[in-house]
Amino acid sequence: GAVVSQHPSWVICKSGTSVKIECRSLDFQATTMFWYRQFPKQSLMLMATSNEGSKATYEQGVEKDKFLINHASLTLSTLTVTSAHPEDSSFYICSVSQGANTGELFFGEGSRLTVL
Amino acid sequence: ELKVEQNPLFLSMQEGKNYTIYCNYSTTSDRLYWYRQDPGKSLESLFVLLSNGAVKQEGRLMASLDTKARLSTLHITAAVHDLSATYFCAVDSGYALNFGKGTSLLVTP
Repeated sequence: GAVVSQHPSWVICKSGTSVKIECRSLDFQATTMFWYRQFPKQSLMLMATSNEGSKATYEQGVEKDKFLINHASLTLSTLTVTSAHPEDSSFYICSVSQGANTGELFFGEGSRLTVL
Repeated sequence: ELKVEQNPLFLSMQEGKNYTIYCNYSTTSDRLYWYRQDPGKSLESLFVLLSNGAVKQEGRLMASLDTKARLSTLHITAAVHDLSATYFCAVDSGYALNFGKGTSLLVTP
């Protein structure tokens, strides 16, 4: 399957600052990447679909001005949490779908954000 | 809206025992996936089920899909401690994957 790498693995920041998370598809050119958020002991919730060269598609209830997504190349998508607040603390996971026929998603290692 | 329900949400079982985790979903789909998540880690793909009647097996785990009943099962045979993790099923809505709430499995001696 596709190899997906995220950076940083964990980050602690002060309230009001912005944090950028990178997601790289190492062995596959991904025109689409998916950003999920997972709160402790909960399921994964899709935040947005990142499209290479165009605007991301956000899920209902996700603030696009707060969670900025940039997919400038076929191997890199970034998620920037702007003016972070403690309630933004979560596990953020990106994924790519390599299998056009299977729809299977391959996930990055995840980035744990803690906002103080 | 596609809803995915897993049960049980928590499962504690003894080593050597068998058990089944169920995944029900609300609308038509013939693509279903099972993932494993260890604490503090990301998701690892276990099974991809793409048609009615599909059955996949890997080691002590076996997954099946009944699209008519909108039901998938993950059967654990002779559980061992290494299987302790959270298991998620996810259903393809045609647009994105919708995840169940996960089943936290603890295998005890």
